[in-house]
Amino acid sequence: GAGVSQSPSNKVTEKGKDVELRCDPISGHTALYWYRQSLGQGLEFLIYFQGNSAPDKSGLPSDRFSAERTGGSVSTLTIQRTQQEDSAVYLCASSRRSGGNTGELFFGEGSRLTVL
Amino acid sequence: GDSVTQMEGPVTLSEEAFLTINCTYTATGYPSLFWYVQYPGEGLQLLLKATKADDKGSNKGFEATYRKETTSFHLEKGSVQVSDSAVYFCALSGTGNQFYFGTGTSLTVIP
Repeated sequence: GAGVSQSPSNKVTEKGKDVELRCDPISGHTALYWYRQSLGQGLEFLIYFQGNSAPDKSGLPSDRFSAERTGGSVSTLTIQRTQQEDSAVYLCASSRRSGGNTGELFFGEGSRLTVL
Repeated sequence: GDSVTQMEGPVTLSEEAFLTINCTYTATGYPSLFWYVQYPGEGLQLLLKATKADDKGSNKGFEATYRKETTSFHLEKGSVQVSDSAVYFCALSGTGNQFYFGTGTSLTVIP
């Protein structure tokens, strides 16, 4: 499809389990972002990838969170040893980056994670 | 650092009422400014944007003007509809790599 694709759309897991969330950005978009949206909260920045540059990991809340982006395209966000406070909607967005101010972000529909 | 401060909600309006959602920003340089909207059960989507001072972004009857002198980008609509019920996010993108979002304002329009 033409948009940002995220999977799974819903994930229910038990506390302590690991989860992987996947994001497939728009073809040709070199910038990829992960955000977290908790119930009634704004968007919390997690991590940013731009091309082959080292990612900006400054928003990752703990070392249980990690992300990678293979081949400059698909990204996977991994949460190890999940906790109940990790329950949220995880949003992925991509952008065409041409230097200077970044263009608009295109968001996926999110992966809703519920940790029991 | 760069940041966005957005009017807190929730906001409830009657259909055909005038809407203003305030947004102010702090940034070095000359950021681009955006309003994103999230309709119930859907992902965030761009509503409008402005890339330089005095630009006016507009879409679906919504408008926002980039005011450098007041560092503001307030969202307005002259006559809201029930279908405008959503959460609205103000955002900026500066000369760095980062997007900064406000906390979102929930709007409910009642018939």
